[in-house]
Amino acid sequence: DTGVSQDPRHKITKRGQNVTFRCDPISEHNRLYWYRQTLGQGPEFLTYFQNEAQLEKSRLLSDRFSAERPKGSFSTLEIQRTEQGDSAMYLCASSLRVLGGGSYTFGSGTRLTVV
Amino acid sequence: SQELEQSPQSLIVQEGKNLTINCTSSKTLYGLYWYKQKYGEGLIFLMMLQKGGEEKSHEKITAKLDEKKQQSSLHITASQPSHAGIYLCGADWFRERDDKIIFGKGTRLHILP
Repeated sequence: DTGVSQDPRHKITKRGQNVTFRCDPISEHNRLYWYRQTLGQGPEFLTYFQNEAQLEKSRLLSDRFSAERPKGSFSTLEIQRTEQGDSAMYLCASSLRVLGGGSYTFGSGTRLTVV
Repeated sequence: SQELEQSPQSLIVQEGKNLTINCTSSKTLYGLYWYKQKYGEGLIFLMMLQKGGEEKSHEKITAKLDEKKQQSSLHITASQPSHAGIYLCGADWFRERDDKIIFGKGTRLHILP
């Protein structure tokens, strides 16, 4: 399977706990993106990497959120001290961006429920 | 994002009918993407448009980008139950240090048998 993989698919956690999600992009893609989607809304941009460098973080990404992409391969998104407002679908996408343009391939997402 | 508006928010059509979804950008687009999302799942890429006046088709779905590159429409002919889902347009304004796709809020399409 050469698609984008996300793990886990579902996560239920208690408020205040830390959670970590993983994304494995398409191997030849240099860009990796994280989005968050709440019910009835479109995906909202969180952050993106080009290879191992994190090039942009959205203002939506509070200090409780951190993302890494060691060695430019898989990426992790960690949320510390989860809050109920963090409940959402977290989507990962990868792309091969050259001089702009190029579609993103999305994973199936990780659905987080904070109780 | 207020920079990208989709309409309608939701749509219910009888199977076999045609339908159109619109996407309007407040700025000239470098590229416009259409994605489809099944409820609770990831996004599936449909089409990308970059040139003014461009039109692309995939099976019974046709997408167009206007000459000014600020409006796009997605048209489905003879809708089928398999077309049901959320349709999202995504804008690429290609700012060299701010290079990402921004999505609209989506159009929820329901097909009545």
